[in-house]
Amino acid sequence: AQSVAQPEDQVNVAEGNPLTVKCTYSVSGNPYLFWYVQYPNRGLQFLLKYITGDNLVKGSYGFEAEFNKSQTSFHLKKPSALVSDSALYFCAVSPRGAGSYQLTFGKGTKLSVIP
Amino acid sequence: DGGITQSPKYLFRKEGQNVTLSCEQNLNHDAMYWYRQDPGQGLRLIYYSQIVNDFQKGDIAEGYSVSREKKESFPLTVTSAQKNPTAFYLCASRKGETSGANVLTFGAGSRLTVL
Repeated sequence: AQSVAQPEDQVNVAEGNPLTVKCTYSVSGNPYLFWYVQYPNRGLQFLLKYITGDNLVKGSYGFEAEFNKSQTSFHLKKPSALVSDSALYFCAVSPRGAGSYQLTFGKGTKLSVIP
Repeated sequence: DGGITQSPKYLFRKEGQNVTLSCEQNLNHDAMYWYRQDPGQGLRLIYYSQIVNDFQKGDIAEGYSVSREKKESFPLTVTSAQKNPTAFYLCASRKGETSGANVLTFGAGSRLTVL
């Protein structure tokens, strides 16, 4: 069975500092990996995804994530945090091929950017 | 603009009542999903449908029912058999299921509170 772990329930970072939100996964074979963001009382919005190729993926709003196969990680990063980045972030994994309909989400990490 | 519309946004229910949450999409997506979100638990899959007139149970289907009579619509009924229905419900859709790399588009959610 596939699973996703986001080890930090909350991450606090000062505005202007770099931020990292951690994600590790467990899935058979090579996965598809995603990051979504959720603002209060809203649905999730897609940020970025890894399919294949370059391990560094660039996404919306200046976010990027690095796929590390040996460490089974897909950490979300941004060089300079904004107060408006404060939200709930979800990592998700989907297997390739059979069962690819089933996207498994982590429990989410609340990011607070302090002015 | 294309998107997913969920209604109602807020719903209150007395114990023992069934309620139906609406989900409509005009994205021409084949697959549709229902997730339940509880604080600290991330998103859990209730039901999903890959094509019209077909749907499958997710991880927490007990106490819920769905139908998929039209491609655009995927209503969720929360029955009285669901023992703890108070939660935030999210509907999502995805273009085709031939690739797990396709991105989910989410609605804004429906918050159900049992009185």
